[in-house]
Amino acid sequence: GAGVSQSPSNKVTEKGKDVELRCDPISGHTALYWYRQSLGQGLEFLIYFQGNSAPDKSGLPSDRFSAERTGGSVSTLTIQRTQQEDSAVYLCASSLVGGNSKANYGYTFGSGTRLTVV
Amino acid sequence: GEDVEQSLFLSVREGDSSVINCTYTDSSSTYLYWYKQEPGAGLQLLTYIFSNMDMKQDQRLTVLLNKKDKHLSLRIADTQTGDSAIYFCAEKVIEGGSYIPTFGRGTSLIVHP
Repeated sequence: GAGVSQSPSNKVTEKGKDVELRCDPISGHTALYWYRQSLGQGLEFLIYFQGNSAPDKSGLPSDRFSAERTGGSVSTLTIQRTQQEDSAVYLCASSLVGGNSKANYGYTFGSGTRLTVV
Repeated sequence: GEDVEQSLFLSVREGDSSVINCTYTDSSSTYLYWYKQEPGAGLQLLTYIFSNMDMKQDQRLTVLLNKKDKHLSLRIADTQTGDSAIYFCAEKVIEGGSYIPTFGRGTSLIVHP
């Protein structure tokens, strides 16, 4: 598609339930990033996928968080046993090339999924 | 500091210039970005600069870079109400870095008539 698409745009879930958030990056973009934006906070890096390489999971806050990227395209972020502190906007971004490229490739963001845990 | 830092709020009058400031962490080899986020939307790239540059101008936007102080600023000339948004500064370190963009908390720009 023309842009990064995220779904759902809003999700309300009960504490303890699992949720899946989806990101459809720009076609051909090899790099995909997940960030979390909490109220009054900046963007917190969660996980990064680059092509077929092992993902950089260094930003995941706990083992309740996981993500996968199938076929180098669509990515799903899963949060198990959701807690109220998981409430945030989850943003996905893609880039033509990521990793250790010394050139600049812009990052295109989706509109995010607003997750509310009640 | 170890974080990308920004002031949280800026209020200006329509027609005035706005200057949004940011400090970053690594002056060696870095891309620095300014993003704009309008309510309910994702982040939109406004402009970027590489750390070997001092200034970049693009229409109403001027980016100034002070490498000695690791200070980045975004000046918006003739600020309009449509410029009201949150502005994020971001850094991507190329040499010896993680290549993962690090963002500040964002500066909320409020433009009033």
